[in-house]
Amino acid sequence: NAGVTQTPKFQVLKTGQSMTLQCAQDMNHEYMSWYRQDPGMGLRLIHYSVGAGITDQGEVPNGYNVSRSTTEDFPLRLLSAAPSQTSVYFCASSYNWGDGYTFGSGTRLTVV
Amino acid sequence: AQKITQTQPGMFVQEKEAVTLDCTYDTSDQSYGLFWYKQPSSGEMIFLIYQGSYDEQNATEGRYSLNFQKARKSANLVISASQLGDSAMYFCAMREGTNNNDMRFGAGTRLTVKP
Repeated sequence: NAGVTQTPKFQVLKTGQSMTLQCAQDMNHEYMSWYRQDPGMGLRLIHYSVGAGITDQGEVPNGYNVSRSTTEDFPLRLLSAAPSQTSVYFCASSYNWGDGYTFGSGTRLTVV
Repeated sequence: AQKITQTQPGMFVQEKEAVTLDCTYDTSDQSYGLFWYKQPSSGEMIFLIYQGSYDEQNATEGRYSLNFQKARKSANLVISASQLGDSAMYFCAMREGTNNNDMRFGAGTRLTVKP
């Protein structure tokens, strides 16, 4: 099993550019989430999903979109990058509610 | 409003001793789950232990145990026989309700194990 795969691992964007962070899992997990982690801080929830076709907003959704067309994939789209979106982004998944997350290795994004 | 509070920004423990990392939470739900994660300096996030709100016994996983005090809304992580490899950031997290994937994290505690 590959687990949770995030691509790219590093990205530099210019202000105003858009991009998609990819997240894929091969564990048939229903629950998937996106978090951002800023230096010295905990993880903040951006968007989450409880299954294909179902997504919801977390605590910091502004500037980000998600979709969940398949169980495996949960891409995160930055609509118009801003320096405030410079962060490390983590994708995570779990099989059900009582399971801990399996995390991807993260994407380090810098917006200049 | 902050739902998960970790009041210890940093903790030190001597190798082979036990250490308790504090976590308090706030929820009005009867059904919720509490989780602890470890983040070493390499940056990966590792799930350690889970406690359900209806679980009567404290959860244990190897050297990790969760001291769950429901009335006090606390879910402290106890690490026994600390090892140098335990040096990391530790995050407490909570999922409320059922069939709800909204998991929120605390700010974390940095644990340093001294030789």
